[in-house]
Amino acid sequence: AQSVTQPDIHITVSEGASLELRCNYSYGATPYLFWYVQSPGQGLQLLLKYFSGDTLVQGIKGFEAEFKRSQSSFNLRKPSVHWSDAAEYFCAVVGVSNYQLIWGAGTKLIIKP
Amino acid sequence: NAGVMQNPRHLVRRRGQEARLRCSPMKGHSHVYWYRQLPEEGLKFMVYLQKENIIDESGMPKERFSAEFPKEGPSILRIQQVVRGDSAAYFCASSPSTPEGTEAFFGQGTRLTVV
Repeated sequence: AQSVTQPDIHITVSEGASLELRCNYSYGATPYLFWYVQSPGQGLQLLLKYFSGDTLVQGIKGFEAEFKRSQSSFNLRKPSVHWSDAAEYFCAVVGVSNYQLIWGAGTKLIIKP
Repeated sequence: NAGVMQNPRHLVRRRGQEARLRCSPMKGHSHVYWYRQLPEEGLKFMVYLQKENIIDESGMPKERFSAEFPKEGPSILRIQQVVRGDSAAYFCASSPSTPEGTEAFFGQGTRLTVV
């Protein structure tokens, strides 16, 4: 069965520092992968997605993610975080149904001043 | 172009009451998906609907939960005889076609609290 693992429940980084959020997936074929961000009390906003092609994808708000098939990973990165990046981040993969998103449990990002 | 609209944003129900959650998809979108987010967990798929059709309800609890997407009007997720364990955030998403090759756009969610 497809699954998504986000190993870090919480991550704390200083403002201006670099960020990497980990995501590992289990899926037999080429996956469609997504990163969403959820600010407190808000809905889900798509940061970026990978369907095919270049394995390094650029998203909004200065985020990028790299698809590594050999490691079954799709880690999210940002070179310099801002206080407004404090939120919860979810990695998701489209399952064999082609429409059902399988979600990780999320990583809460805390920004230290 | 308004996004996916969900209402109410917050809903409080006593045990045994009914909860009705509404979702208006983005203009031009004919596919609607409902997800549930329990506290400290990721989202779990509940149901996928097209106009007047339930395509996949494999994630819906077998009892008390139902969903519809009529020809006119919003999609409705209905929970009868709510229990404390139904307390969660319920998110609706819509897409112009299946998400393969496209993205699903999410509403802001309805936070249901059962007291």
